Amino acid sequence: NAGVMQNPRHLVRRRGQEARLRCSPMKGHSHVYWYRQLPEEGLKFMVYLQKENIIDESGMPKERFSAEFPKEGPSILRIQQVVRGDSAAYFCASSLRQGVNTEAFFGQGTRLTVV
Amino acid sequence: GESVGLHLPTLSVQEGDNSIINCAYSNSASDYFIWYKQESGKGPQFIIDIRSNMDKRQGQRVTVLLNKTVKHLSLQIAATQPGDSAVYFCAEKTGGSYIPTFGRGTSLIVHP
Repeated sequence: NAGVMQNPRHLVRRRGQEARLRCSPMKGHSHVYWYRQLPEEGLKFMVYLQKENIIDESGMPKERFSAEFPKEGPSILRIQQVVRGDSAAYFCASSLRQGVNTEAFFGQGTRLTVV
Repeated sequence: GESVGLHLPTLSVQEGDNSIINCAYSNSASDYFIWYKQESGKGPQFIIDIRSNMDKRQGQRVTVLLNKTVKHLSLQIAATQPGDSAVYFCAEKTGGSYIPTFGRGTSLIVHP
């Protein structure tokens, strides 16, 4: 049973380009969470999605960032017109169901570098 | 060896020693806590969790202690091994929210 798969593992973009980060949750999981991690810091929540729905996007920047989790296919975190400050590791987690005691499993992350 | 969370982000211990990693949380409404281990270049890995109605929970070589009075959480690792070297994060959840909130993390370095 494969774990949470994220791709690409490393992504380099020039300022002003678009970055698309993909996350395939564990088999049977329909809840996806995206986090951002800056060097030497903890993980900051960005957005929580279920299939075809955004449940909580309180951690998403108001501009340039968007996320989706379509009925078929992976969840996508999209960053338009990237800036150097977007350079970070982006992690996706998935869970089988929602609930306070539900364990979330993390992927290996995508390391975005903006040059 | 013992850390004090945010004020001592790096903990160095000798192989075989017991390690104690501390975490102070701020939300008194948090009712579920998780410890994660993150190795270099990898995603966080679940270690152990504890509900707020408990004050201690044991796993394999790890024990989590919860003191709700002072809003303090600790992770004890027995007989620390070089493979335990990683950054350890505590995370908390609040009833009604399904999203774990992460602390800053403590780097554990185990010397052979």
